[in-house]
Amino acid sequence: AQTVTQSQPEMSVQEAETVTLSCTYDTSESDYYLFWYKQPPSRQMILVIRQEAYKQQNATENRFSVNFQKAAKSFSLKISDSQLGDAAMYFCAYRSAWYSGGGADGLTFGKGTHLIIQP
Amino acid sequence: GAVVSQHPSRVICKSGTSVKIECRSLDFQATTMFWYRQFPKQSLMLMATSNEGSKATYEQGVEKDKFLINHASLTLSTLTVTSAHPEDSSFYICSARDPGGTRVTQYFGPGTRLLVL
Repeated sequence: AQTVTQSQPEMSVQEAETVTLSCTYDTSESDYYLFWYKQPPSRQMILVIRQEAYKQQNATENRFSVNFQKAAKSFSLKISDSQLGDAAMYFCAYRSAWYSGGGADGLTFGKGTHLIIQP
Repeated sequence: GAVVSQHPSRVICKSGTSVKIECRSLDFQATTMFWYRQFPKQSLMLMATSNEGSKATYEQGVEKDKFLINHASLTLSTLTVTSAHPEDSSFYICSARDPGGTRVTQYFGPGTRLLVL
């Protein structure tokens, strides 16, 4: 079974600064997907960024970028120019690339990192 | 992105009663939906995968007779918590898979807060 570990329960950053959230995972599969989801106080899960394991290039979405190290099984999220609206819980998630029609394509989540933005 | 809705957003019920939660894909068809549970200050845990027209697939440790899932149409999946007890109080979130080419990304509903007294 796959596991996802987020070792930082809480992070704090000054507005406009850059912050990096850590995520490591354990899998025996060679093909999979990794995600970062944001959960603000409303508790609506919002997709931040997605990375395909077969792609060497790190995914970027505006101020959000990842550092994907496949050999190290590491998938960190960098948020540049932090804004007050970035304050939320951030969850790292894993999904197998194999479609079996069952739970294999459900997401396995880490425990989350609570990001605080200080004005 | 794809929009997923849930109803109700919150529900309070007495112990022993059953509660039904609906998950709808509003602007796309979803052959597969997922149900997650999130306890306070904890992560999301996959409960089951809901497949249109067939039986749901439950994760290990999830009682299928307690958490009944019905995916009768391409836009609606329901989760019924039968004979609810206080320990079932939680935040239940559904998601549907991206209907696009890759069918990889999951889009989440806004969640349902269940409180069992």
